[in-house]
Amino acid sequence: GNSVTQMEGPVTLSEEAFLTINCTYTATGYPSLFWYVQYPGEGLQLLLKATKADDKGSNKGFEATYRKETTSFHLEKGSVQVSDSAVYFCAHQGNTPLVFGKGTRLSVIA
Amino acid sequence: GAVVSQHPSWVICKSGTSVKIECRSLDFQATTMFWYRQFPKQSLMLMATSNEGSKATYEQGVEKDKFLINHASLTLSTLTVTSAHPEDSSFYICSASSGLLANYGYTFGSGTRLTVV
Repeated sequence: GNSVTQMEGPVTLSEEAFLTINCTYTATGYPSLFWYVQYPGEGLQLLLKATKADDKGSNKGFEATYRKETTSFHLEKGSVQVSDSAVYFCAHQGNTPLVFGKGTRLSVIA
Repeated sequence: GAVVSQHPSWVICKSGTSVKIECRSLDFQATTMFWYRQFPKQSLMLMATSNEGSKATYEQGVEKDKFLINHASLTLSTLTVTSAHPEDSSFYICSASSGLLANYGYTFGSGTRLTVV
């Protein structure tokens, strides 16, 4: 069935470090792929998305590329900030509502 | 941009009482709304999908008589937790879209933390 697998956290990084959060998916067809971010006590905000193979989504310094051959959509940021501390969810949607990964908690320390 | 308002942001209720959570799309018509439940440090679990003017479609394992969903207008959906018990304590999040597919865009509310004592 449809599923999303993302690396388990928590991930703790120093400010300005490089971030990678891995995400792979299982789906039929060609789903759209998303990264959502959840700050403490809040709902989810769309961070970026990609709707077809080789598309690169980007926002606020974060990037992720839709890799059909590896069914992956890894999230990267070159230099994290303390304000990036949050939980990040990878998600996909094909012909069903959004399917989320379990989330990865990121803590950035100064 | 699209905004979804969810109210209340938190609520504490006694066991056996009912709680209503509202989800409003403020600047667009939400033909489809989704209700999720999130346990601490876990992912979002889809509870149900509702289309304006029709009955909600519940996911397997979700009690439709306990979690009543009403989507009477294009801007408002409500989730009522009936006869709440401590195990219903959770973070509930709604999401609204102008269509079923992701290319229409999903906008999430800020969530409601329910604590049943």
